[in-house]
Amino acid sequence: EPEVTQTPSHQVTQMGQEVILRCVPISNHLYFYWYRQILGQKVEFLVSFYNNEISEKSEIFDDQFSVERPDGSNFTLKIRSTKLEDSAMYFCASSDWGSGANVLTFGAGSRLTVL
Amino acid sequence: AQKITQTQPGMFVQEKEAVTLDCTYDTSDPSYGLFWYKQPSSGEMIFLIYQGSYDQQNATEGRYSLNFQKARKSANLVISASQLGDSAMYFCAMRERPNNAGNMLTFGGGTRLMVKP
Repeated sequence: EPEVTQTPSHQVTQMGQEVILRCVPISNHLYFYWYRQILGQKVEFLVSFYNNEISEKSEIFDDQFSVERPDGSNFTLKIRSTKLEDSAMYFCASSDWGSGANVLTFGAGSRLTVL
Repeated sequence: AQKITQTQPGMFVQEKEAVTLDCTYDTSDPSYGLFWYKQPSSGEMIFLIYQGSYDQQNATEGRYSLNFQKARKSANLVISASQLGDSAMYFCAMRERPNNAGNMLTFGGGTRLMVKP
């Protein structure tokens, strides 16, 4: 079954460092998303991406965040200068346009720990 | 106001019995979609079931069914014949304007289900 793959599974970084989280969405999907989940809290939307541009973003997605689709397969989330409060599980997801339900398929997540 | 409310932070169920996980939602949009995801201890988010606001029948997927009561704005997940592997966090989520794939999912706080042998 097609899946969304994320790397790394866990990253530890120092506060102020740049982090790039990588995702390979399902190959025929056109819409890509990043969500995050701070430990013990609910899953929060960060950003959605379609046709090589951001289609929607939340208040969390401020100037320190950026997304990119550098080639035909990867979708990345960059955090320019990490803060302690960026520690969370980051989920990539993708969806296609064809189904009415338009189900998001999530990856297994990348756990980011900022020290 | 919370858009998605899951009032049960934790629940126990005996193996092989059925369990209902509650979810209420708040929207003024007439067109929306409701989702349930399972998050086992390994952390991934697994899609379980979907209900569209205009769907006439309650959604079913194997042992999962959704008790959709539109007037009450509730979308409870029913798991029949619970298995030990059902122990996980369960999240209810809503997308308003479901035909616009750019729209985000809003998640509830989750319910931790523990299945007892």
